[in-house]
Amino acid sequence: QAVVTQEPSLTVSPGGTVTLTCGSSIGPVTSGLYPYWFQQKPGQAPRTLISDTSNKHSWTPARFSGSLLGGKAALTLSGAQPEDEADYFCLLSYGAAGPVFGGGTKLTVL
Amino acid sequence: QLQLQESGPGLVKPSETLSLTCSVSGDSITNSDFHWGWIRQTPGKGLEWIGSKYYSGNTYYNPSLKSRVTISLDTSKNQLSLMLTSVTAADTAVYYCARVLGPTGPNFWGQGTLVTVSS
Repeated sequence: QAVVTQEPSLTVSPGGTVTLTCGSSIGPVTSGLYPYWFQQKPGQAPRTLISDTSNKHSWTPARFSGSLLGGKAALTLSGAQPEDEADYFCLLSYGAAGPVFGGGTKLTVL
Repeated sequence: QLQLQESGPGLVKPSETLSLTCSVSGDSITNSDFHWGWIRQTPGKGLEWIGSKYYSGNTYYNPSLKSRVTISLDTSKNQLSLMLTSVTAADTAVYYCARVLGPTGPNFWGQGTLVTVSS
């Protein structure tokens, strides 16, 4: 089974910009893996931020954006707010092998 | 407003069957745009896709769980259900139901329910 890799932790200053990445052990991440991004705060269920690489939902703050960058999926947060401190998970869909989640990135806003 | 609410026993004995139900309001599980599925989360293994089902019958299961998992849709009650047989302590997790965009990923999650496997 493929392994999906994320940075274990990142720190961003309030108002700053940070990019989280999501890699695949079996090759570059493409749009065909339909990358998803989720935000999870302590004690809460995950919330979907980005679907299919870059599609936002109605509840996704405008400061979040999804893209492909250097063979990985990327989630960029521009203008970080204290409330953005959370765990962020990505998901890649490998067809018949199924969707696989990354281990998550703990984002600190400090 | 879409809401998904999981329910079921919080404690299951080893070797028994875990059964959960997810009640959906604010959308129909026959909505042709979506599948419906289950995901679980453990401190050790993180998030794990269990499977998803489309109202017309198409079903996908995680290959590592396929032999033990059944996902069903009850259109009369607008509910989805999960059965996981022969559970062990490794199945202890928070279980989430979700609305799924095609077979690719969840766009909306339930609040989750903790299931502990213990004698």
